Amino acid sequence: SQTIHQWPATLVQPVGSPLSLECTVEGTSNPNLYWYRQAAGRGLQLLFYSVGIGQISSEVPQNLSASRPQDRQFILSSKKLLLSDSGFYLCAWSATQAGTYNEQFFGPGTRLTVL
Amino acid sequence: SQKIEQNSEALNIQEGKTATLTCNYTNYSPAYLQWYRQDPGRGPVFLLLIRENEKEKRKERLKVTFDTTLKQSLFHITASQPADSATYLCALEKGSGTYKYIFGTGTRLKVLA
Repeated sequence: SQTIHQWPATLVQPVGSPLSLECTVEGTSNPNLYWYRQAAGRGLQLLFYSVGIGQISSEVPQNLSASRPQDRQFILSSKKLLLSDSGFYLCAWSATQAGTYNEQFFGPGTRLTVL
Repeated sequence: SQKIEQNSEALNIQEGKTATLTCNYTNYSPAYLQWYRQDPGRGPVFLLLIRENEKEKRKERLKVTFDTTLKQSLFHITASQPADSATYLCALEKGSGTYKYIFGTGTRLKVLA
């Protein structure tokens, strides 16, 4: 069966510090991968998605970047965190079979607080 | 641009009643729409998917309808239980085959014992 891991679960970082959140998927190959952010009381905002190694699409201009160094690894980074980067970060994957309407499977999330 | 609207106010209902949640969308004709459940501090969990050519979909006590004329989906939980208390999100793909999804802000449901 497929599983998705995210770490760390919680993170408190000072403004201006770097960030690296990691997400890995097991039990599937060539998944679509996603990073979302959920601010308090708000909906999920798609930040990045990837359909393959090295292929990253950014949805909104921001202080963050993403990389996919391996098929089932997705990393969210920042060189200098802002207060507005605080939120609940979720990684998700979906299958890529053509002609199917694929649900997304979400990781447990990382709660980031920037002080 | 595409937009999804869900009632941001919490919905409180008595145990055993049917809960009905609404998802409206604009500026788009999606091929399908998804519903997710999210518990506090957890990632969303997929519940149901309904395609544009399906009027209704059922799974146990859950029922989803899809009216492409009204641009609306309704999500029903029959015989609701306190364990059904959660936030329910609807989502649609931004463009056919784009693999990019937009989510509504969700409706928080509380089932009172």
